[in-house]
Amino acid sequence: QVQLVESGGGLVKPGGSLKLSCAASGFTFSDYYMSWIRQTPGKGLEWVSFISSSSSYTNYADSVKGRFTISRDNAKNSLYLQMNTLRADDTAVYYCATYRYPQKDFDYWGQGTLVTVS
Amino acid sequence: QSVLTQPASVSGSPGQSITISCTGSSSDVGGYNLVSWYQQHPGKAPQLMIYEVSKRPSGVSNRFSGSKSGNTASLTISGLQAEDEADYYCCSYVGSSILVFGGGTKLTVL
Repeated sequence: QVQLVESGGGLVKPGGSLKLSCAASGFTFSDYYMSWIRQTPGKGLEWVSFISSSSSYTNYADSVKGRFTISRDNAKNSLYLQMNTLRADDTAVYYCATYRYPQKDFDYWGQGTLVTVS
Repeated sequence: QSVLTQPASVSGSPGQSITISCTGSSSDVGGYNLVSWYQQHPGKAPQLMIYEVSKRPSGVSNRFSGSKSGNTASLTISGLQAEDEADYYCCSYVGSSILVFGGGTKLTVL
């Protein structure tokens, strides 16, 4: 079955960097767009970024544009999020999810990895 | 980017029906039939319940239904069950390859 496992979260100081990874299995990773979505503690969800299946197209929320970079390695069935110049308001659980481009929805989600900026 | 407006909480008794609204604008909910709904139990990842306003993924109970009128999308749960108690989030495409979520609604089954 579809499995998405995030890793790389942790405690980082303001201004620091962190790289998240998401290992995918149970489906043909290279066929899917992928996305990162975050959830601040006790609050709601915020779409962060998505990447096309071949990496040719990416997009970002205004709140992270210029600081975060999404990438993928289809040979390794892996999705990444490089986060630079981190701020306290980036503190959240970060989920990776499959992004169905025509329908504009997220049909499979990982369990998330917590990033704390303090 | 705008945040879609949802009620903070709704409640209902087992067997009843409840509706959660998601109000946006003509730039998001009203402009596209690309609204999705997600259920999230405490400590768990969100799960897709409705896509493209009213379509159900396979495996989702037909007690869950979606609709839209103007700039407001709605999720209706009929025959409420204890297991439906969770947080629910709407999400809409807003153009330019950007998506926004609602603030979430906590459903309590009395």
